[in-house]
Amino acid sequence: DGGITQSPKYLFRKEGQNVTLSCEQNLNHDAMYWYRQDPGQGLRLIYYSQIVNDFQKGDIAEGYSVSREKKESFPLTVTSAQKNPTAFYLCATQAGQGYTGELFFGEGSRLTVL
Amino acid sequence: AQSVAQPEDQVNVAEGNPLTVKCTYSVSGNPYLFWYVQYPNRGLQFLLKYITGDNLVKGSYGFEAEFNKSQTSFHLKKPSALVSDSALYFCAVRDKAGTALIFGKGTTLSVSS
Repeated sequence: DGGITQSPKYLFRKEGQNVTLSCEQNLNHDAMYWYRQDPGQGLRLIYYSQIVNDFQKGDIAEGYSVSREKKESFPLTVTSAQKNPTAFYLCATQAGQGYTGELFFGEGSRLTVL
Repeated sequence: AQSVAQPEDQVNVAEGNPLTVKCTYSVSGNPYLFWYVQYPNRGLQFLLKYITGDNLVKGSYGFEAEFNKSQTSFHLKKPSALVSDSALYFCAVRDKAGTALIFGKGTTLSVSS
């Protein structure tokens, strides 16, 4: 099936640990995005990538890192520098690089810091 | 900078009644507007978008939205609500290529039977 796979769905982390969230897509889409969702705050953009080996910071990039070595993959690392990492993380893709394409979302990863 | 506002945290309607979920936007050029729906602990699903042309846009599950340039609004509507429409709805905007979608804070729709 074509789609976006995020893993793990649930993740628990101790303070001071780095964790990596996986996002894989087989839609052959160029652009990929990471959003963070907190209750009452909507979705906030962490990082996005429009092409392999290139990515840009979003509004809340501090404490996060990404890589885009393959078109299919856009992993997000939540580092120990992120002060409040407990949240729901959503990966998305977009077909093409124009104005008009809608985003396709994965099912999300919920990170809880113990 | 582009932004989008959803002025209502929650909208309550009775099943069978019409529903409206409000969205206003601010962009520097022509807006490209989107509506998404999210069910608990799931990703977002695309409902509809306005790019250009007819101000009334029809989308999935019987939803439609009306673009109003003078009021900078893009309200989501449905003529007859279903209990299964209960979910979290997000409006989003993009003003030019190469930028990411900016989302509103979301509106919880609750449809009672």
